[in-house]
Amino acid sequence: NAGVTQTPKFRVLKTGQSMTLLCAQDMNHEYMYWYRQDPGMGLRLIHYSVGEGTTAKGEVPDGYNVSRLKKQNFLLGLESAAPSQTSVYFCASSYTGPPGRHNSPLHFGNGTRLTVT
Amino acid sequence: KNEVEQSPQNLTAQEGEFITINCSYSVGISALHWLQQHPGGGIVSLFMLSSGKKKHGRLIATINIQEKHSSLHITASHPRDSAVYICAVRSNFGNEKLTFGTGTRLTIIP
Repeated sequence: NAGVTQTPKFRVLKTGQSMTLLCAQDMNHEYMYWYRQDPGMGLRLIHYSVGEGTTAKGEVPDGYNVSRLKKQNFLLGLESAAPSQTSVYFCASSYTGPPGRHNSPLHFGNGTRLTVT
Repeated sequence: KNEVEQSPQNLTAQEGEFITINCSYSVGISALHWLQQHPGGGIVSLFMLSSGKKKHGRLIATINIQEKHSSLHITASHPRDSAVYICAVRSNFGNEKLTFGTGTRLTIIP
């Protein structure tokens, strides 16, 4: 049981390049999230998904796109990378609680360290 | 003012000491999470609680909803407890947003 797997672990991009980060979970979780972690700041939500085929914006969505074509995968895309997107990116997933009460533990991937030069 | 404040930001202690990390928040919440991030970067969920107290091994988490405050305690601390401990709250407005604190960096010296 792998849990949440993120690929790649590290990446260096030049400004303007594009890339896709892949998150895969094998726990049949409905909810999936992409966060970024920057020094001195708490984790910030980029986009999230409450089920296959659905996505929604988080706090800091600009410059990113996401897709959830299959329940187990949540992709984060950078169409034109900028130095401000240098960060550590974490994917997380959780199962649904009772309707109207989503309070479930989060399962995190190991992170992707992205540097944009 | 941040919605979630943790204290202290950094804590160094000797092996065996009792550790307390605090989390205060300013919004109404439906749940509070404690997470652990090891030097390698991975994040693990320790506790999720909405009232009272939970215990797992040497770790204890408490929450006081009226005072909007939670504490994470570690008994008989060990160098392997060295990590960043992160508090996160989910507001009770029903959206999916968790607000995270900036973390407390704990170092346990042998």
